[in-house]
Parts: sequence; C-alpha cells; structure tokens
Amino acid sequence: DVKVTQSSRYLVKRTGEKVFLECVQDMDHENMFWYRQDPGLGLRLIYFSYDVKMKEKGDIPEGYSVSREKKERFSLILESASTNQTSMYLCASSWGAGANVLTFGAGSRLTVL
Amino acid sequence: DAKTTQPPSMDCAEGRAANLPCNHSTISGNEYVYWYRQIHSQGPQYIIHGLKNNETNEMASLIITEDRKSSTLILPHATLRDTAVYYCIVRVITDKLIFGTGTRLQVFP
Repeated sequence: DVKVTQSSRYLVKRTGEKVFLECVQDMDHENMFWYRQDPGLGLRLIYFSYDVKMKEKGDIPEGYSVSREKKERFSLILESASTNQTSMYLCASSWGAGANVLTFGAGSRLTVL
Repeated sequence: DAKTTQPPSMDCAEGRAANLPCNHSTISGNEYVYWYRQIHSQGPQYIIHGLKNNETNEMASLIITEDRKSSTLILPHATLRDTAVYYCIVRVITDKLIFGTGTRLQVFP
C-alpha cells in the first residue's frame, strides 16, 4: 500500500514562528499536494508539485511556501505563522498519469496561538 | 468546471446497500466522476472513478447515467466503518481536484 506520512499529527506554535510541515511518500509518486481543511470550507489546495524542484500555486498560496528537493518529500513552510493558519493540513500524492487518484496522509492539525 | 450537488446527509442500516447520489448536470465530455470519502480525523480516501461506463472495485460500484448528468455510488453492504463524509468530484483528468462539502453518511446498527 502507498503510504503518505506526515511528520507531526498535532502541532502548537506561536504567532510569528516559522513552521515546517513535512510529508513523505514511499511509492515513487511524481505528484504531491498540500491542502488545508477548515469546517464549512472543505479542502482547499495550497500548493502542488509535479516533479522535483517544481512547484505550482494552488488556490490559497498566500502565507505559505513549499520545497521539493527529493521526489519523495514535499514540505510546507509557514514563514511567519498567524492565527488564521490554524487548520488541518493534508498532504497527498499521486502517480503521473493518474493525477487525480490521490493518496492522502493522516493530516497535521496545527494550532497557532 | 462542472458543479456537483449532493445531499448533505444520509442514513443507512448496517448490512444494507448505501446508495449515494450525485448530480452533475453540467458535466462535459472529458470530465471524470471521482468519489472519495473521509472518515473522522483521517485524510480523504480514494474510492472509485469513471468516465461513462459503470465501474466496480473492491470498495464500491459507480453507476453513471447514460446522459452522464448524475451518478450513484453504491456500497453494497454498509458497515459501521463506512460512516464518513463522501465527496463526489467532477474534473478533467489533468485538473486538480476540488472538494466540496459532500454527503455525511451515517451507518447505524
């Protein structure tokens, strides 16, 4: 089974801190995605990547950046965390031609105080 | 992009078939129908997808009407573990998925 592992299940950070959310997949998938999920708003795409060192903005990239130095790892970075970034963050991956058959991680619940 | 309409919630008795409807009357010819579900406190899970033919896998069956304007996801023998939010998404294969609010399925004993 494809596994998408997110490094932290729960994080609590202070406003202004730099936050790293790590995601690793073990099936050599080309595509990786970061979503956030908030009550009543569903899942919203933050950033995605179709290849190493490649990234593209999703629907809500403001306040976030990403890094993909290796194929299996896709990191989401909050340069200066704010309270409105308190959310559930979900990482997903998929293989090239099956771009919309996503495998998701369990999620990282971030609270910014 | 085609919009989808799903009932906000449904109930199903354990052991019975759960039939989850999705309306996508503006679907275009190259848009696929995808179904995902999300069990509480977990990430979404892919279930099945199709273009125009009915599809079946180990988890569910997908029935798409001939005019492709609606579809039904069938869980043939629902269990308590199938309690989840089910998302119907219509997208071109090269476009990113957009998750709506889905149908909250409650399976009861």
